[in-house]
Amino acid sequence: LAKTTQPISMDSYEGQEVNITCSHNNIATNDYITWYQQFPSQGPRFIIQGYKTKVTNEVASLFIPADRKSSTLSLPRVSLSDTAVYYCLVGDMAGGYNKLIFGAGTRLAVHP
Amino acid sequence: SQTIHQWPATLVQPVGSPLSLECTVEGTSNPNLYWYRQAAGRGLQLLFYSVGIGQISSEVPQNLSASRPQDRQFILSSKKLLLSDSGFYLCAWRGSGLGFNEKLFFGSGTQLSVL
Repeated sequence: LAKTTQPISMDSYEGQEVNITCSHNNIATNDYITWYQQFPSQGPRFIIQGYKTKVTNEVASLFIPADRKSSTLSLPRVSLSDTAVYYCLVGDMAGGYNKLIFGAGTRLAVHP
Repeated sequence: SQTIHQWPATLVQPVGSPLSLECTVEGTSNPNLYWYRQAAGRGLQLLFYSVGIGQISSEVPQNLSASRPQDRQFILSSKKLLLSDSGFYLCAWRGSGLGFNEKLFFGSGTQLSVL
């Protein structure tokens, strides 16, 4: 069973870079790592996904080391609107990658 | 483009009453479908998922059930609600392609209060 571990909460200030690390020691060879953002009373939305090394899009960057046992979501120059819960997600081999279990997520609070 | 519809947005039900939440997906075929529940201030708990019509995998033993009568329809039900069933219910879909990088797309959720 692939499990993820993230810090429960983080605090930052506007304009700073935020890095959230997720541990997934049992990640399968074929599995991707996907990050989601959730605002209160809304469903999570996709942020970024990667398999190895570095991925960057208009919202964030994702760093994945060679052993793929962890990943780091990097949010450049955060604003108040980035206050949300961030989840990393990997598949579950036992469920044929269809069984998608979220971890507890990281609650990010951005302060003025 | 694909869209997911989930209703109702909010629901207040007495203990012991039945429940039916419906979720439909448009613009795709043979999606994988999911029901998650989120208690206040907590993470997402996977309740059920389905890879095809009539195929339901249950993750948590409880008084809830799910059905998939049509390819793009996923229903969450209960015969008798408990106080502990209160929460934010989310339906989600992802493609059923062979790749392992299919993303999850969520509906807008149903806030259920059991009183």
